Amino acid sequence: DVKVTQSSRYLVKRTGEKVFLECVQDMDHENMFWYRQDPGLGLRLIYFSYDVKMKEKGDIPEGYSVSREKKERFSLILESASTNQTSMYLCASSRLHEGAQYFGPGTRLLVL
Amino acid sequence: AQKITQTQPGMFVQEKEAVTLDCTYDTSDPSYGLFWYKQPSSGEMIFLIYQGSYDQQNATEGRYSLNFQKARKSANLVISASQLGDSAMYFCAMRRNAGNNRKLIWGLGTSLAVNP
Repeated sequence: DVKVTQSSRYLVKRTGEKVFLECVQDMDHENMFWYRQDPGLGLRLIYFSYDVKMKEKGDIPEGYSVSREKKERFSLILESASTNQTSMYLCASSRLHEGAQYFGPGTRLLVL
Repeated sequence: AQKITQTQPGMFVQEKEAVTLDCTYDTSDPSYGLFWYKQPSSGEMIFLIYQGSYDQQNATEGRYSLNFQKARKSANLVISASQLGDSAMYFCAMRRNAGNNRKLIWGLGTSLAVNP
């Protein structure tokens, strides 16, 4: 079974803090994705990566950065957290040319 | 522009009955893929079923089947014999099979409640 894990299920941070969300997959998938999910807005892609050290912006990259130093790990970084980044963050992975994405359990982030 | 539309924000179904969740899509690509995901209240997105645009048969996966009508650009999910554990959000998504084929385009979801 594909397994995607995320470092935290719940996270509370203060405005201005630097926040790291980590995602690890164990299926040797080339592609990894970070989404945020907000009520009424659905899933919005923040960044994705198709190889180590490679990244591409998604639909809403502002205020975020990512790092992929190893194939199995994809980190999302909020350089200076703001209250409008309070959201559910979902990580996913997939094979290079296959569409089915497999998701982690999600991280509910609250920025105060 | 490519788009996924799920017109039903919420649906109710009686336990053991079948339910159809609607999904229509818009694309000019001749080749594409369609997906359905389930998201229980715990938050994890669970992949349910996939249909390729050139697949001759409708996809099935256990109690899930996809009613694919290409001319109508619809890809409705049918859940047979509903169970209480089917209560969740359901999302339809589409992938292009040409060009940038890594990203999925998502609908806004349908909330399904199964009544005992």
